[in-house]
Amino acid sequence: GAVVSQHPSRVICKSGTSVKIECRSLDFQATTMFWYRQFPKQSLMLMATSNEGSKATYEQGVEKDKFLINHASLTLSTLTVTSAHPEDSSFYICSARAQGGDYGYTFGSGTRLTVV
Amino acid sequence: DQQVKQNSPSLSVQEGRISILNCDYTNSMFDYFLWYKKYPAEGPTFLISISSIKDKNEDGRFTVFLNKSAKHLSLHIVPSQPGDSAVYFCAASWGGQGAQKLVFGQGTRLTINP
Repeated sequence: GAVVSQHPSRVICKSGTSVKIECRSLDFQATTMFWYRQFPKQSLMLMATSNEGSKATYEQGVEKDKFLINHASLTLSTLTVTSAHPEDSSFYICSARAQGGDYGYTFGSGTRLTVV
Repeated sequence: DQQVKQNSPSLSVQEGRISILNCDYTNSMFDYFLWYKKYPAEGPTFLISISSIKDKNEDGRFTVFLNKSAKHLSLHIVPSQPGDSAVYFCAASWGGQGAQKLVFGQGTRLTINP
């Protein structure tokens, strides 16, 4: 099956610093990856669509200068939370879709970000 | 505007019985639906999907039913097992299987009691 690896699984950072989260497709190439955010007991909200070799597409209300996305290769997308604030504390999840097969969208294991 | 709704935040079912999780949607453009299972602090795991050209898809203990006229889908798990205890999300997209964006419901926490 398709595997997506996300790193780190948990990170604590100080307000004002930046945090980078990596999302890798391990056994398939992904021209498109997706970044979601989940608040406690709420649904997964799509933040942006990461496109290999081009700019990410952000959902309405998501600050692109705060949530920097880079998709430099067919197997790696990164999300950088810049100048983090406590309200950025959340669970961030990436996903990608392997072509062929009915795997649906494969998700990473998520990153719990806590900004103190 | 919540386009995909799971109105039951939680469901408790006896082991061995059938679990039925429901999902409603409002956007008639949706043509592909998926169910995911999620444990705390983990990413969702794909369970089963259904295209709008079908009304039923079955995979082992899991069956998804789609009622397009009612804009409603449901996930049946039978027999329910303790390991099925998790949060279940339904998701929808448009553009068929090649579509990209998923819209998720709020999730239903399923608890299977021994």
